[in-house]
Amino acid sequence: DGGITQSPKYLFRKEGQNVTLSCEQNLNHDAMYWYRQDPGQGLRLIYYSQIVNDFQKGDIAEGYSVSREKKESFPLTVTSAQKNPTAFYLCASRPPGQQNSPLHFGNGTRLTVT
Amino acid sequence: GDSVTQMEGPVTLSEEAFLTINCTYTATGYPSLFWYVQYPGEGLQLLLKATKADDKGSNKGFEATYRKETTSFHLEKGSVQVSDSAVYFCALTPNNAGNMLTFGGGTRLMVKP
Repeated sequence: DGGITQSPKYLFRKEGQNVTLSCEQNLNHDAMYWYRQDPGQGLRLIYYSQIVNDFQKGDIAEGYSVSREKKESFPLTVTSAQKNPTAFYLCASRPPGQQNSPLHFGNGTRLTVT
Repeated sequence: GDSVTQMEGPVTLSEEAFLTINCTYTATGYPSLFWYVQYPGEGLQLLLKATKADDKGSNKGFEATYRKETTSFHLEKGSVQVSDSAVYFCALTPNNAGNMLTFGGGTRLMVKP
């Protein structure tokens, strides 16, 4: 079955360490997204990529970095510069060119930094 | 800029009660509108969508009508079940922004037996 795989489901890190969250899709979608979800809040866009080797900052990109070397993969690195990294991170993808096509989401990674 | 406003939760209902979750939006032109659902510990799933004014999206007993005059897309269900307990997100894509999606803050629904 096609879908988006995020791993791991739970991740624990010490403050000051960089950590990379994995996102892989086999839907053949061009566009991929990273969102952050905090308790009781909506989703905020961190980074997105419309095509391989290209990506743009979203609303809250500071302290994060991404790469898009392959169509299937869009890893997110949470750097030590991110002041409040503890959150639920969701990766999504979308077919190109259609305004009303829905996002497909992974099951998320819950990151806890202590 | 574009924005989506949802009623704050949690919304607590008894099984078989009628559900309404309000959603209003601010956007230029004619955005596409969506409702997503998030079950505990999971990502979001598309529940329904509407792409033009007066369209009604429906799925699994849920409905929402795109009201341009009131810039609203309220979610309704006639008889909720315990399994409907989840967080519901209203979202929009502006008509000139291709792949960008703006989400509301989410509304938690709790259905008690």
